[in-house]
Amino acid sequence: QKEVEQNSGPLSVPEGAIASLNCTYSDRVSQSFFWYRQYSGKSPELIMSIYSNGDKEDGRFTAQLNKASQYVSLLIRDSQPSDSATYLCAVVSMDTGRRALTFGSGTRLQVQP
Amino acid sequence: GAGVSQTPSNKVTEKGKYVELRCDPISGHTALYWYRQSLGQGPEFLIYFQGTGAADDSGLPNDRFFAVRPEGSVSTLKIQRTERGDSAVYLCASSVQGAGELFFGEGSRLTVL
Repeated sequence: QKEVEQNSGPLSVPEGAIASLNCTYSDRVSQSFFWYRQYSGKSPELIMSIYSNGDKEDGRFTAQLNKASQYVSLLIRDSQPSDSATYLCAVVSMDTGRRALTFGSGTRLQVQP
Repeated sequence: GAGVSQTPSNKVTEKGKYVELRCDPISGHTALYWYRQSLGQGPEFLIYFQGTGAADDSGLPNDRFFAVRPEGSVSTLKIQRTERGDSAVYLCASSVQGAGELFFGEGSRLTVL
């Protein structure tokens, strides 16, 4: 089982809609969770971090964490064509003792104008 | 510069050759990470430095891979006897203390013929 799992997509949504991206992780004691955005041919950039159960909002982005169910999600409201990218979920997994991020394979989002 | 700088941006080499990839992190960032990313995959952890020492090198795939950070700033990833399977984008990232909020460089694309 992969440590961090994401649906590869592509997830296609119309402009102005809500895009919902999901991620599950295997290590129950993971403590820190992150969403990175990666445009084609570019490097990942951090867009959200979340550390405790519940929702965290930042502009059009909302991260949701449910540690009991071991999933974290990212909602993008009022999706824009410029949001079209691959979204990478990442966790710090205490199970491996690794203090570096473990990334999922990413979900490709396409926002249709 | 203001961001993480990686050189070279592209490297083409022949199977069996030796390669060095360089990373210059953001000034003041004590933590430095190397990842590699293949097409359609998320970044795969290689090694993490805190200061001059390798805090976690568990992601290095074999003894052909080695990395140093002698003065706690610039890091070099060294790959001996390159193989075609080493072809990937090698990403360097830095962070303030060693947490999940990483700042990535633009990567070094390695192609082994």
